[in-house]
Amino acid sequence: GENVEQHPSTLSVQEGDSAVIKCTYSDSASNYFPWYKQELGKRPQLIIDIRSNVGEKKDQRIAVTLNKTAKHFSLHITETQPEDSAVYFCAASYPQFYFGTGTSLTVIP
Amino acid sequence: NAGVTQTPKFRVLKTGQSMTLLCAQDMNHEYMYWYRQDPGMGLRLIHYSVGEGTTAKGEVPDGYNVSRLKKQNFLLGLESAAPSQTSVYFCASSYGGHSYEQYFGPGTRLTVT
Repeated sequence: GENVEQHPSTLSVQEGDSAVIKCTYSDSASNYFPWYKQELGKRPQLIIDIRSNVGEKKDQRIAVTLNKTAKHFSLHITETQPEDSAVYFCAASYPQFYFGTGTSLTVIP
Repeated sequence: NAGVTQTPKFRVLKTGQSMTLLCAQDMNHEYMYWYRQDPGMGLRLIHYSVGEGTTAKGEVPDGYNVSRLKKQNFLLGLESAAPSQTSVYFCASSYGGHSYEQYFGPGTRLTVT
């Protein structure tokens, strides 16, 4: 099956700085790559996703890039705010979702 | 529109006891999923369903059974609970399968002693 690795496991940034989280996957058949945000005690919620026919997607302060050749994709958060503090999960999908182990992001005011 | 709901929110079981977790969605989604979330291990798929009356095994199916008798409901059963099944269980649903957003329920925290 698919193997998704996510790094780093924890990340602390100053408010206003950028944060980058990286994931690699093993199965070249994977074609959908979502990112979920999970606040403490809450359910995971989709923040952005990208499909294999696209190299980059942006939504306000959040962007995702995909390199199919290298089998890696990254989440970029710019101008971080305290409310961005949460655990972020990447996933690769085909034919089911395989999640990374999560990155705990702390934004220091 | 409640989205995805789960019952119960918390449960404590003794080893060997059985229980059923109920997931319900009101979005008319075909696909439904059960995950478990353990510290440091992310979300792992237990079982899933691609439509009413269908079920399939995911990444970690052992010790669990599921049923999808109605489109809006997906049940997860533990026949003989073990301490290794202590976890937070999330149900999810999606419109179109593996390349569509999954909407998660609020989770069920299960402790097996």
